[in-house]
Amino acid sequence: DAGVTQSPTHLIKTRGQHVTLRCSPISGHKSVSWYQQVLGQGPQFIFQYYEEEERQRGNFPDQFSGHQFPNYSSELNVNALLLGDSALYLCASRFQGPLYGYTFGSGTRLTVV
Amino acid sequence: DQQVKQNSPSLSVQEGRISILNCDYTNSMFDYFLWYKKYPAEGPTFLISISSIKDKNEDGRFTVFLNKSAKHLSLHIVPSQPGDSAVYFCAASDGRGGGADGLTFGKGTHLIIQP
Repeated sequence: DAGVTQSPTHLIKTRGQHVTLRCSPISGHKSVSWYQQVLGQGPQFIFQYYEEEERQRGNFPDQFSGHQFPNYSSELNVNALLLGDSALYLCASRFQGPLYGYTFGSGTRLTVV
Repeated sequence: DQQVKQNSPSLSVQEGRISILNCDYTNSMFDYFLWYKKYPAEGPTFLISISSIKDKNEDGRFTVFLNKSAKHLSLHIVPSQPGDSAVYFCAASDGRGGGADGLTFGKGTHLIIQP
């Protein structure tokens, strides 16, 4: 059974550009969350989708937006990239309640130059 | 404002001994607590969780203890093995329901198991 898959694995963008990151959850997992991890910090919650609706959002500006498709895959969009957006972006999915934990993908390493 | 704190950036333990990783939190609304392990170039891997209505949960070599009054939890690994060397993250959720259970992570503790 495939795990959570993210694409691309690495990406270099220029300040001001837009980027779209993609995530395919484990089959049957309806809940997908996105996290940003910068060096030396823990992952920071961006937002969570469940059954195609944004259910919760962390402290991230509107520059960050997302979408969940009917097949539960998800996109993270970042507009007007800043140097500070350079980070590892992690997608996670789960099937059951929060005590069963999320399964994370290996992430997309975004570098903004 | 850091709601989940892991005050030890690193911890070195001898193989076979007990590893104890600590975590403190400030948000009394947190209902669920989880521990994740992360190797370089991989996403975090779920280890064990505990609900706020319990004070202990055990799974093989891993035990998590929760002290709600002190807003403190700890992860015990016994016995420690070389493969346990990784960064460990403590995470919490306020479990508000409706598919909204985003995790708040600590900064992590780098556990090094010495042979």
